[in-house]
Amino acid sequence: GQQVMQIPQYQHVQEGEDFTTYCNSSTTLSNIQWYKQRPGGHPVFLIQLVKSGEVKKQKRLTFQFGEAKKNSSLHITATQTTDVGTYFCAGTMDSSYKLIFGSGTRLLVRP
Amino acid sequence: DGGITQSPKYLFRKEGQNVTLSCEQNLNHDAMYWYRQDPGQGLRLIYYSQIVNDFQKGDIAEGYSVSREKKESFPLTVTSAQKNPTAFYLCASRSFGGGPYEQYFGPGTRLTVT
Repeated sequence: GQQVMQIPQYQHVQEGEDFTTYCNSSTTLSNIQWYKQRPGGHPVFLIQLVKSGEVKKQKRLTFQFGEAKKNSSLHITATQTTDVGTYFCAGTMDSSYKLIFGSGTRLLVRP
Repeated sequence: DGGITQSPKYLFRKEGQNVTLSCEQNLNHDAMYWYRQDPGQGLRLIYYSQIVNDFQKGDIAEGYSVSREKKESFPLTVTSAQKNPTAFYLCASRSFGGGPYEQYFGPGTRLTVT
């Protein structure tokens, strides 16, 4: 079936270090979204990427969508303790209204 | 304030009982979704609805049922047929208008069945 794989499962970094999570789909995606879930909370939308090769930045966060629209990454520069949480990618295939979520990467930041 | 509400936040039930989780939105969104999240796992789609009086099964619909009688409401019933119902249940909604078609999530209901 349709799958979206995400790695790593966990990442424990020292505050100030960079962090990257990767997302790979078995099929071509129409678009990909990224969400952040704080511990005990619910997912909150961060961004959507639609175009092949697209790169978007939000302050210290950089999002990329691969040329083949099958992979994506989220990079955080100089992590802060406020970045703690689980980051999920979620892809849409064709014109479906369904999102296929990756398994998430849990980020822990040591102060 | 516009948003999605889920109640209750915590729910405890005995095995063999059906239980209904509430989800209400005042965002005027057309589509609504139910997800299940297990510890350390991603979100798995249970059911979704794009329009009133219509809904589709997601990837793990067995043991669950839904209704969409009103645009604002999308309750989920966890039946006794669900073999492992203890989980965190999240409701979401989205608009069909202009993009980016993000899903808005409610605060979730943590269901424990013993």
